[in-house]
Amino acid sequence: SQKIEQNSEALNIQEGKTATLTCNYTNYSPAYLQWYRQDPGRGPVFLLLIRENEKEKRKERLKVTFDTTLKQSLFHITASQPADSATYLCALPPTSGTYKYIFGTGTRLKVLA
Amino acid sequence: NAGVTQTPKFQVLKTGQSMTLQCAQDMNHEYMSWYRQDPGMGLRLIHYSVGAGITDQGEVPNGYNVSRSTTEDFPLRLLSAAPSQTSVYFCASRQGGEQFFGPGTRLTVL
Repeated sequence: SQKIEQNSEALNIQEGKTATLTCNYTNYSPAYLQWYRQDPGRGPVFLLLIRENEKEKRKERLKVTFDTTLKQSLFHITASQPADSATYLCALPPTSGTYKYIFGTGTRLKVLA
Repeated sequence: NAGVTQTPKFQVLKTGQSMTLQCAQDMNHEYMSWYRQDPGMGLRLIHYSVGAGITDQGEVPNGYNVSRSTTEDFPLRLLSAAPSQTSVYFCASRQGGEQFFGPGTRLTVL
């Protein structure tokens, strides 16, 4: 079955630096991959979707890459701010014939002032 | 638009009790789903619905029932609560590839 892995250890970085989070997956060739942000006590919020034919996608200070050969997506936050502190989840879409999304466990990011 | 709303925000049950977690969305989305989130486990799909009158099981359906009588509402029923059902529950609706999550219900079963 398909698996999705994110670094479960928290990532601490200094304000202004670039944060890079990793999402790896196996046993799957998804048509796209998504990233969500989750703040404590709240539901996940959709950030970006990147398709298999897109190598890179940007939204303001966010950048996502998608390497279908490595089966990996990287999520970058440039010029990070304390307000970026949250848990970031990656998600794979349903496989053919199903409606079940698969979420990673998330990586907690803390941006230090 | 209120988006996806969930009630209650917090709930404590005793083992064996039953209850219904409410979920509603005002975006006219056909697809809705229920997840539970536990530490180190990520979001796990309980049940989902692709439209009014159509529901199906997800990854962890045991102990839960759902129904979808309208596009807007998708309640989740715990039939006989067990301590293993202590979790945070999220309802979501989907439009295209983007899922919209509710604020969650934190459930504790004693």
